[in-house]
Amino acid sequence: SQTIHQWPATLVQPVGSPLSLECTVEGTSNPNLYWYRQAAGRGLQLLFYSVGIGQISSEVPQNLSASRPQDRQFILSSKKLLLSDSGFYLCAWSGRGLDSEAFFGQGTRLTVV
Amino acid sequence: AQKITQTQPGMFVQEKEAVTLDCTYDTSDPSYGLFWYKQPSSGEMIFLIYQGSYDQQNATEGRYSLNFQKARKSANLVISASQLGDSAMYFCAMSPSGGYQKVTFGTGTKLQVIP
Repeated sequence: SQTIHQWPATLVQPVGSPLSLECTVEGTSNPNLYWYRQAAGRGLQLLFYSVGIGQISSEVPQNLSASRPQDRQFILSSKKLLLSDSGFYLCAWSGRGLDSEAFFGQGTRLTVV
Repeated sequence: AQKITQTQPGMFVQEKEAVTLDCTYDTSDPSYGLFWYKQPSSGEMIFLIYQGSYDQQNATEGRYSLNFQKARKSANLVISASQLGDSAMYFCAMSPSGGYQKVTFGTGTKLQVIP
């Protein structure tokens, strides 16, 4: 069966520090991969999605970047965190079918102090 | 551009009763997909149900059903026989072309089931 791993679950980082959140998928190949951010009490904002290795689409201009060095690995990064980067970050994958739902990781709660 | 609207920030329902969570959408895409997700306090997003824009019948999954009214651009989630474990945030979401890429999420509805 397919599983998605996202870590860490909780992170507190000082302003100006770098960030690296990792997400890996098991049990499937060539998935679509996504990074979302959820502000407190709000909906999900799509940050990045990827349809293949090295292929990244950015949805909103921001202080973050994403990379996909392997088929089932998706990394969210920042060189220097801002206070506004605080939030709940969710990684997800989906299949290629027209009716493929997304499967989400457990999320990372990031607090920038 | 796509837009999803959930006008109910919070809802209460008595245990064992049915509840409807509203969702309206706007899109110019000829085909699209509609999803509902549940997010418990743990933060995990749980897929509940999917409706394709060309599906003739409303989708059902166990106690969940989607009341799809294409002309009204609404995709309401109906939960029958509510359980205490149904207390959570519920998000309506929409994707272009019936697939999942670039899904747009609504702001969510917080459902609380009362014993």
